[in-house]
Amino acid sequence: EPEVTQTPSHQVTQMGQEVILRCVPISNHLYFYWYRQILGQKVEFLVSFYNNEISEKSEIFDDQFSVERPDGSNFTLKIRSTKLEDSAMYFCASSEGILAGYEQYFGPGTRLTVT
Amino acid sequence: TQLLEQSPQFLSIQEGENLTVYCNSSSVFSSLQWYRQEPGEGPVLLVTVVTGGEVKKLKRLTFQFGDARKDSSLHITAAQPGDTGLYLCAGPKFNAGNNRKLIWGLGTSLAVNP
Repeated sequence: EPEVTQTPSHQVTQMGQEVILRCVPISNHLYFYWYRQILGQKVEFLVSFYNNEISEKSEIFDDQFSVERPDGSNFTLKIRSTKLEDSAMYFCASSEGILAGYEQYFGPGTRLTVT
Repeated sequence: TQLLEQSPQFLSIQEGENLTVYCNSSSVFSSLQWYRQEPGEGPVLLVTVVTGGEVKKLKRLTFQFGDARKDSSLHITAAQPGDTGLYLCAGPKFNAGNNRKLIWGLGTSLAVNP
């Protein structure tokens, strides 16, 4: 069964460093998303991406964040200068469409630890 | 602001017991999804409910969408240790461009003891 994959599974970085989180969405999906989950808190939407551009971004997704689909398979989230509060699980998701019946499928996540 | 509240937050039961967990909102949702998440893993989709009053069954799991599409429940019959996990409800929020993001509840953490 097709699945969303994410690498790395765990990333430890120092405050101020740049990190790139990578995702390979399901191959026939057109909509891509990043969410994050801080320990003990709700899953939060970061950004959605369709047709090679950002469709929507949350208040969390400030100038330190960017997304890219550099080729036909990868979808990346870059954090330019990490802060301690960026420590969280980051989930990539993809969907074939946006209506009910085209649900979002999630990857296993990348645990980002900023020290 | 659309919010999803889940209850109870924690539930610890013995194998074989039945349980119900709830997902409530003051807002109407076009659909609600239930996901299950294990520690260190991503959410795994269990079901989507779309029509008010809809009931869907997935083996020992029964999902119901409220008539007004503001709430949903998940009932597990004869719980097994393998049912242990975090049960999350999520609902879509559309923006002006018809793009969809998911709004999430905090989840119910279920522990089924053998």
